[in-house]
Amino acid sequence: NAGVMQNPRHLVRRRGQEARLRCSPMKGHSHVYWYRQLPEEGLKFMVYLQKENIIDESGMPKERFSAEFPKEGPSILRIQQVVRGDSAAYFCASSPGAGVTYEQYFGPGTRLTVT
Amino acid sequence: GDSVTQMEGPVTLSEEAFLTINCTYTATGYPSLFWYVQYPGEGLQLLLKATKADDKGSNKGFEATYRKETTSFHLEKGSVQVSDSAVYFCALSKTSYDKVIFGPGTSLSVIP
Repeated sequence: NAGVMQNPRHLVRRRGQEARLRCSPMKGHSHVYWYRQLPEEGLKFMVYLQKENIIDESGMPKERFSAEFPKEGPSILRIQQVVRGDSAAYFCASSPGAGVTYEQYFGPGTRLTVT
Repeated sequence: GDSVTQMEGPVTLSEEAFLTINCTYTATGYPSLFWYVQYPGEGLQLLLKATKADDKGSNKGFEATYRKETTSFHLEKGSVQVSDSAVYFCALSKTSYDKVIFGPGTSLSVIP
């Protein structure tokens, strides 16, 4: 049973370009979460999605960032017009859903570098 | 709002030393508590968890007890190894589908 998959693992973008980060949850998991880890900091929640729905985006920056989890295919975190401050590790996590206490399973992360 | 505080690092220990990493939380209700570990260049792995007061989570020689009266979830290991060198994150979640709130992380280095 494959774990959470993220690609690319490393992404380099110039300032002003767009970054697209992909996350495939574990098989059977319908809930996806995105977190950002800035250098020398802990992980901060960004957004929580279920299939075709954004449930909680309270941690998303108001501009340039968007996320989706379509009916088919991976979840996408999109950053438009990247700036140096967007350089960070972006982690995706998935869980089966509500009902009992399910921990979140994390992917290996995408390390974004903005030059 | 809800938050997690943990001891500042970095922590450097000799092999076979006793490890304690303090963690306290602020949250309403009865959150689930977690310790995650991040090895260099990798993602997070769940190390252990506890879902209610007085529960003890344990894994790979690590353990932590959910203390509601002191709102704490301290991580302990009796004898650390070089392979335990990593960053350790204390975390909480309010419900089974809610976001995880992380502490700032504590970097541990174990030297031979």
